[in-house]
Amino acid sequence: AQKITQTQPGMFVQEKEAVTLDCTYDTSDPSYGLFWYKQPSSGEMIFLIYQGSYDQQNATEGRYSLNFQKARKSANLVISASQLGDSAMYFCAIFPLLPPLSGAGSYQLTFGKGTKLSVIP
Amino acid sequence: GAGVSQSPSNKVTEKGKDVELRCDPISGHTALYWYRQSLGQGLEFLIYFQGNSAPDKSGLPSDRFSAERTGGSVSTLTIQRTQQEDSAVYLCASSLDSSVGAAGQPQHFGDGTRLSIL
Repeated sequence: AQKITQTQPGMFVQEKEAVTLDCTYDTSDPSYGLFWYKQPSSGEMIFLIYQGSYDQQNATEGRYSLNFQKARKSANLVISASQLGDSAMYFCAIFPLLPPLSGAGSYQLTFGKGTKLSVIP
Repeated sequence: GAGVSQSPSNKVTEKGKDVELRCDPISGHTALYWYRQSLGQGLEFLIYFQGNSAPDKSGLPSDRFSAERTGGSVSTLTIQRTQQEDSAVYLCASSLDSSVGAAGQPQHFGDGTRLSIL
C-alpha cells in the first residue's frame, strides 16, 4: 500500500519569493516514482516534475525542483521566484515502478490531499 | 487536439439514473486511468487499463461502477443507479506503457467531467 501526506492545507508566498511545499510518503514498493501536479482553479491537472526513487540527483524543471530525501521519505516541491500564475492546488503523488509481488495491479497514482498555494502580489 | 478528451464536461442527472462518461486518450498511449475527485479532495483511483490486459478494477467503489475500453483506445465509465455521493469530478488520464515500469512516464489528464446528482 502507498500513502502520501501533505501537511499544509494552505500556503501563502510573496511574489518573486521561493516556497517549499511538503510531501512525505509511505510505500512498501522497492522502486517507485514521485510526481507533482498543479491544479489551477480551472480544474485541469498539470504535470510538473518527476523523481525516481533510484535517482541520485534531485529533479529540476525550470523554476520547480524536488528536494528528495529518501531516508526521510520526503519529496518536497520547491518553487523559486513565485509568480501570480502559480496560485493553485498542488498535489504530490506516488507510483510503483515494479508490479506488486502478488501479481495484482496496480499501476495507479496515489495522491495526497493537496496544498493550496496563494501567491500575494 | 493532442490532449486527453473527456465528454461531457458537465452532467447533471437525477438520483437513480444511469450515466456514461467518455474518455478519448492521447494517441499512442496504451495506459488509461479513471480517477474521481470529490470537492476539496485529492484524486481517488478507480480503474486502470493497460493495452489488452484485464483491467485493474480495485478502486471501483461499488458494483454500480463499471468501465470498458474498446479497441485499446476510447473508454467509457458507467455509473448505474446514481446516488448523491457519486457527485464529483471524474478525471481520465493516459500515459505510455506503464506495465514495464517505464520510468517517469507522467499521466496526462483530461479536463474532467463534473457530475452532479440531484
